Amino acid sequence: TQLLEQSPQFLSIQEGENLTVYCNSSSVFSSLQWYRQEPGEGPVLLVTVVTGGEVKKLKRLTFQFGDARKDSSLHITAAQPGDTGLYLCAGAGSSNTGKLIFGQGTTLQVKP
Amino acid sequence: EAGVAQSPRYKIIEKRQSVAFWCNPISGHATLYWYQQILGQGPKLLIQFQNNGVVDDSQLPKDRFSAERLKGVDSTLKIQPAKLEDSAVYLCASRLMLRQTYEQYFGPGTRLTVT
Repeated sequence: TQLLEQSPQFLSIQEGENLTVYCNSSSVFSSLQWYRQEPGEGPVLLVTVVTGGEVKKLKRLTFQFGDARKDSSLHITAAQPGDTGLYLCAGAGSSNTGKLIFGQGTTLQVKP
Repeated sequence: EAGVAQSPRYKIIEKRQSVAFWCNPISGHATLYWYQQILGQGPKLLIQFQNNGVVDDSQLPKDRFSAERLKGVDSTLKIQPAKLEDSAVYLCASRLMLRQTYEQYFGPGTRLTVT
């Protein structure tokens, strides 16, 4: 069974601080996605990484896929209150069904 | 482009009652997913449809949960009878069939409370 472990589960920081969220597995994924979910809404896709070692940037967010495609990280620079939410990583396996395995999520609170 | 629509947004029922959720995916999206998200956890796949056929229902509690997508467009998920542990947000998502990177687009979810 493929599992994704996210850490930390909860993070409360002050505006302007930097943070990193980790997503780890013992399984290889063909691609990995990061979503952000706000209260009362469904998850919204932030980025998809496909190639081992790939780094993608989205404004102040930097996403990295591990060389072995088993892990990923999300780094936020100078966090803002608008970054508050639940961050989910999700991995796609080697089958063509498009099935995603989600981590348990990291709840981020950025205080002004 | 309209997003994934779900209704109702909230539902409160007593245990042993039945409930149904409706989902209308993004137009043209052949793949439809139903997820259960318990508070503080990531979404767990319940069932995946490709057009009107079931691709994966391995984690669907079939003694009480059922789902259908008769015309390959909108879908309903039913719980009968409901248990307290079914309290969760039920998310519907859809995806273009041929997209290799598996981006899924989620609806706002239905928050179910079983008392």
